[in-house]
Amino acid sequence: QKEVEQDPGPLSVPEGAIVSLNCTYSNSAFQYFMWYRQYSRKGPELLMYTYSSGNKEDGRFTAQVDKSSKYISLFIRDSQPSDSATYLCAMKRYSSASKIIFGSGTRLSIRP
Amino acid sequence: DTAVSQTPKYLVTQMGNDKSIKCEQNLGHDTMYWYKQDSKKFLKIMFSYNNKELIINETVPNRFSPKSPDKAHLNLHINSLELGDSAVYFCASSQLSTPTSGSDTQYFGPGTRLTVL
Repeated sequence: QKEVEQDPGPLSVPEGAIVSLNCTYSNSAFQYFMWYRQYSRKGPELLMYTYSSGNKEDGRFTAQVDKSSKYISLFIRDSQPSDSATYLCAMKRYSSASKIIFGSGTRLSIRP
Repeated sequence: DTAVSQTPKYLVTQMGNDKSIKCEQNLGHDTMYWYKQDSKKFLKIMFSYNNKELIINETVPNRFSPKSPDKAHLNLHINSLELGDSAVYFCASSQLSTPTSGSDTQYFGPGTRLTVL
């Protein structure tokens, strides 16, 4: 079993829809949770970063962490065609020097 | 003014050859990384250097050897290339990360697409 599980998709939704992306994980030692966005043929870029449980909002993006269920989510409101990309969840342990464990990514397509 | 740059962008080579990929960052970061992304988009860390010192060395064949001449550069040399080495290799960098720090944003380069024939 992988430490981090993520549905690879692809997920296709119409423009303006609310998108929900999710990951589950098995290691309760993870404390830091991230979402990266990766456009085709580009490197990943950090989108959201949260510590421990709770919600964090940044514009149209909301990240949620539920440590009791070992479940994290990324919501995108008013989705735009420019949001079409692969979204990678990632997490790390508090005591681990920089080692980030990535999910396999969900490919998202927003239809105009 | 590219933050993290890699060369070459594409690399096509024959099995058994030796090749190198270069990475440079101009962000002033102390820590640099090499990641491998396979055809299913799974991104896995290979190595990490902090101020030219190796701090993460995952289970990677010893055909792969990283070299950090200074903290702005991290190169990856691969000996005796195999078909399974075909992937996209990403370099990344971040600020100094200690065992107890958490918020180190990693900035990724554009990737090097390696194809072994």
